[in-house]
Amino acid sequence: QVQLQESGPGLVKPSQTLSLTCTVSGGSISSGSYYWSWIRQPAGKGLEWIGRIYSSGSTNYNPSLKSRVTISVDTSKNQFSLKLSSVTAADTAVYYCARGSVAGMTQFDPWGQGTLVTVSS
Amino acid sequence: QSALTQPRSVSGSPGQSVTISCTGTSSDIGGYNYVSWYQQHPGKAPKLMIYAVSKRPSGVPDRFSGSTSGNTASLTISGLQAEDEADYYCCSYAGSYTLVFGGGTKLTVL
Repeated sequence: QVQLQESGPGLVKPSQTLSLTCTVSGGSISSGSYYWSWIRQPAGKGLEWIGRIYSSGSTNYNPSLKSRVTISVDTSKNQFSLKLSSVTAADTAVYYCARGSVAGMTQFDPWGQGTLVTVSS
Repeated sequence: QSALTQPRSVSGSPGQSVTISCTGTSSDIGGYNYVSWYQQHPGKAPKLMIYAVSKRPSGVPDRFSGSTSGNTASLTISGLQAEDEADYYCCSYAGSYTLVFGGGTKLTVL
């Protein structure tokens, strides 16, 4: 079955760029039936959708983060990535990657285990 | 784009039924049949429980059901079990290729 795994630095300094990668195994990231998303969750708080990318490279972002977010895909490595610029302490969260269904729109399954990113000097 | 509104907490005794509401607007829940529900246990990734308003993925017990009425979506859990104690999040398509989550509801099984 398809599995997702996030990777990247767990500590980022304020004003710098947060970079994470999600590696997809057990299936192809190039499947046209799915898209690939990033979702985050600050400690003790709710989920926030960051954005998504299709294997074609087409992207959509949360309007509240759009100016700072870039999501890209590397089909040769079966990976997709997140870059969030000009981070502050408010960006400290567990970051999840997830597979979304094109037909189901909000149907995320499976999810990665999540990775904690702390923004601190 | 504002977060969908969920009650902070709900509770029920084993065997009972509970319903969690998720209120949005005509621009999200009320405008599309794309509402999903996620269960999250502490320290774990969310798990898909309901998608497309009322569809259950394979493996999810039929004790879980979803519906919508106007701008409000609901998740009903019948025959409450101890393992159902978790946080629950709704998610809706919000137009313009964007999505929005609810603030989450903590379900306590008494």
